[in-house]
Amino acid sequence: ETGVTQTPRHLVMGMTNKKSLKCEQHLGHNAMYWYKQSAKKPLELMFVYSLEERVENNSVPSRFSPECPNSSHLFLHLHTLQPEDSALYLCASSQRGTGELFFGEGSRLTVL
Amino acid sequence: RKEVEQDPGPFNVPEGATVAFNCTYSNSASQSFFWYRQDCRKEPKLLMSVYSSGNEDGRFTAQLNRASQYISLLIRDSKLSDSATYLCVVNMYNNDMRFGAGTRLTVKP
Repeated sequence: ETGVTQTPRHLVMGMTNKKSLKCEQHLGHNAMYWYKQSAKKPLELMFVYSLEERVENNSVPSRFSPECPNSSHLFLHLHTLQPEDSALYLCASSQRGTGELFFGEGSRLTVL
Repeated sequence: RKEVEQDPGPFNVPEGATVAFNCTYSNSASQSFFWYRQDCRKEPKLLMSVYSSGNEDGRFTAQLNRASQYISLLIRDSKLSDSATYLCVVNMYNNDMRFGAGTRLTVKP
């Protein structure tokens, strides 16, 4: 296992479903991030966890709920999403202070 | 003003050309700066950090102008494999990394 792994790679869900995205990093980093990438828009920072503590919540709607049970795992729980939430959700990790982010391949979410 | 602003392009250049991208940022207290590369339908990957004194890595040169709050990336002798989207990234503070929307480059034979 190497780097940052995200599952599932693709997810289609209805607006009333509850699903979760999973991220795992094998780099020994102490910070993990969720970003949202929509077409023709910059990556939007959603959440930052440092040493398993949430240090940033970038005004994200409560229908997105992050969970960081340990320094290697990060989840994004999804419920009652809207079609405009369809996007690529990217997980990243870093060693705080270095500034370099290592990204997973992303989970492409489609909300019907 | 956007936090990090880039010309979206696209830049279409022939092989061997020199191309330059600029990026401006709004927060004068920003601490560190990076260029990332993102290939189509792939995740972003670090291309190079940008240091105050400017830095070079092969055909790539990055520069920072703190007074004017912009960074630049110069690519010399463009290759087909350089075709990608180039993302300007600014570490605002406390590892809050903000991305520009990216500049798309296509290098043609």
